[in-house]
Amino acid sequence: DVKVTQSSRYLVKRTGEKVFLECVQDMDHENMFWYRQDPGLGLRLIYFSYDVKMKEKGDIPEGYSVSREKKERFSLILESASTNQTSMYLCASSSGTSTVYEQYFGPGTRLTVT
Amino acid sequence: QKEVEQNSGPLSVPEGAIASLNCTYSDRGSQSFFWYRQYSGKSPELIMSIYSNGDKEDGRFTAQLNKASQYVSLLIRDSQPSDSATYLCAVKTRGSARQLTFGSGTQLTVLP
Repeated sequence: DVKVTQSSRYLVKRTGEKVFLECVQDMDHENMFWYRQDPGLGLRLIYFSYDVKMKEKGDIPEGYSVSREKKERFSLILESASTNQTSMYLCASSSGTSTVYEQYFGPGTRLTVT
Repeated sequence: QKEVEQNSGPLSVPEGAIASLNCTYSDRGSQSFFWYRQYSGKSPELIMSIYSNGDKEDGRFTAQLNKASQYVSLLIRDSQPSDSATYLCAVKTRGSARQLTFGSGTQLTVLP
């Protein structure tokens, strides 16, 4: 079974703090994704990576950065947390095989910025 | 027009009934289609993938794809209260590299 883990289920941070969200997958997947999910707005893609040290902006990259130093690990960084970044953050991974696009999600991190 | 559209619901069905969830997409070149189930407060879980026109069955779940009409549906037979969740439709569109485009989800409630 594919397993995607995220470093925290719940996180509370203060405005202006630098926040690191970690995601690890154990299926040797090439592709990894970070989403945020908010009521009424659905899943929105923040960043994704298709290889180590490679990253692509998604639909809402502003205020975020990412790091992928190892294939199994993809980190989302909030450089200076703001209250509008309070959300559920979901990491996902998928195989690099050209016809396989299924994404598998981690359990999510509910981040509250106060 | 949104790329992937779903009725937000809520959709309520009695226990034992068939629940029918629908999804339309705008990119005619889309090739891969997925259904995810998301319980409240949890992350999405992949339940079905479908790539070819027609029906694909897995237990109580049937995915139906009609590329000519650009819709994909999910039928849940013998619905159970444990099926109560939000169901997300996801599409691999022609213009995306590896990303999926998700619908906003349909909330299903199965009444005991």
